[in-house]
Amino acid sequence: DADVTQTPRNRITKTGKRIMLECSQTKGHDRMYWYRQDPGLGLRLIYYSFDVKDINKGEISDGYSVSRQAQAKFSLSLESAIPNQTALYFCATSDGATGIHNEQFFGPGTRLTVL
Amino acid sequence: AQSVTQLDSHVSVSEGTPVLLRCNYSSSYSPSLFWYVQHPNKGLQLLLKYTSAATLVKGINGFEAEFKKSETSFHLTKPSAHMSDAAEYFCVVSDRDIGNQFYFGTGTSLTVIP
Repeated sequence: DADVTQTPRNRITKTGKRIMLECSQTKGHDRMYWYRQDPGLGLRLIYYSFDVKDINKGEISDGYSVSRQAQAKFSLSLESAIPNQTALYFCATSDGATGIHNEQFFGPGTRLTVL
Repeated sequence: AQSVTQLDSHVSVSEGTPVLLRCNYSSSYSPSLFWYVQHPNKGLQLLLKYTSAATLVKGINGFEAEFKKSETSFHLTKPSAHMSDAAEYFCVVSDRDIGNQFYFGTGTSLTVIP
């Protein structure tokens, strides 16, 4: 089984709808991240969490919210989806104990289309 | 401020020829640097990382990168391209000053011509 899983893998929704993307990990890592990928822009950080009680905004948090339900689960919500939130969304995890050299491990991505 | 510049958005090489993907970074401290690869419709996979132990870093699938502090560069190379190397490549900088967050370059798309 994959270490970092994301559900759903693909989602089409309409403007104004609330949608939740879920991420689960079995790596035992304390840190989790949500990114979005847009063509030509690389990955940009939406939110990150260093533990269950520590949640921080990233570069592009407007229009998004998150919930860290447990160490292994980190959900991203779009309260009222808009078309420019159409993108590929990635969840990632890392081990805070390894410090600055901690690589991040990525899930397979969720392709979201907002009509 | 931390940033990463990938100097080429697209690179095309013939199979069996060398690959060079260029990356320059800016960092206010001593950074960690990474290269990730993304194959079509897949997630990101770590190719290699620089952690200050050695300036020449060897990664998976024959890739390597050299950290040059004086040039603030971390270019990715491979002696001989394979068809399976066709993918999107991302250079990433991580720094203590930004809580070890990742800053991604905009990516380089590598095409390998048979």
